[in-house]
Amino acid sequence: KQEVTQIPAALSVPEGENLVLNCSFTDSAIYNLQWFRQDPGKGLTSLLLIQSSQREQTSGRLNASLDKSSGRSTLYIAASQPGDSATYLCAVSLYGNNRLAFGKGNQVVVIP
Amino acid sequence: GAVVSQHPSRVICKSGTSVKIECRSLDFQATTMFWYRQFPKKSLMLMATSNEGSKATYEQGVEKDKFLINHASLTLSTLTVTSAHPEDSSFYICSALGSGTKTQYFGPGTRLLVL
Repeated sequence: KQEVTQIPAALSVPEGENLVLNCSFTDSAIYNLQWFRQDPGKGLTSLLLIQSSQREQTSGRLNASLDKSSGRSTLYIAASQPGDSATYLCAVSLYGNNRLAFGKGNQVVVIP
Repeated sequence: GAVVSQHPSRVICKSGTSVKIECRSLDFQATTMFWYRQFPKKSLMLMATSNEGSKATYEQGVEKDKFLINHASLTLSTLTVTSAHPEDSSFYICSALGSGTKTQYFGPGTRLLVL
């Protein structure tokens, strides 16, 4: 069974600092990995999707890396802003299976 | 494109009643939809996979008679919480799988409160 772990569970950083969020998964036979953002009481917004054959994806201030063999992904958010405050969820999709396994999330607070 | 809606966004009901939640793919056809449940400060837990025209596949520990899923068309799946109890109070989120892709598009969620 795929287990997805996100560390740290919660963190607070002053505005302008870079954010580093970690995700690990136990089964490396993944099809892709996604990072989502979730605001309180809201649904999920997809941020980045990395296919298993890729090493990283970038979108604006966000960069996500994937090391499939070691079962790890890292989401970097450069020059954090108060608007980045949210919960960030990591999810992996297994080969031959469209189901997603989610981590518990990294709850981020960016202090103005 | 790839918009998924859910209705209602919030619902409060009395214990013992049934509640239906709709999940619609607005601009694409989805042969497969997924239903998740999320407890406060917890991650999403997959409840079931809904395939158009066939019975849903439920995850271990999810009561299929409690959570009825119907996927009657390529753009609509419904989740009915039958005889709701306070412990069914939760945030329910659906997602739809885009045709020919492996990408799931998520709805905005439905907050259910059972009194």
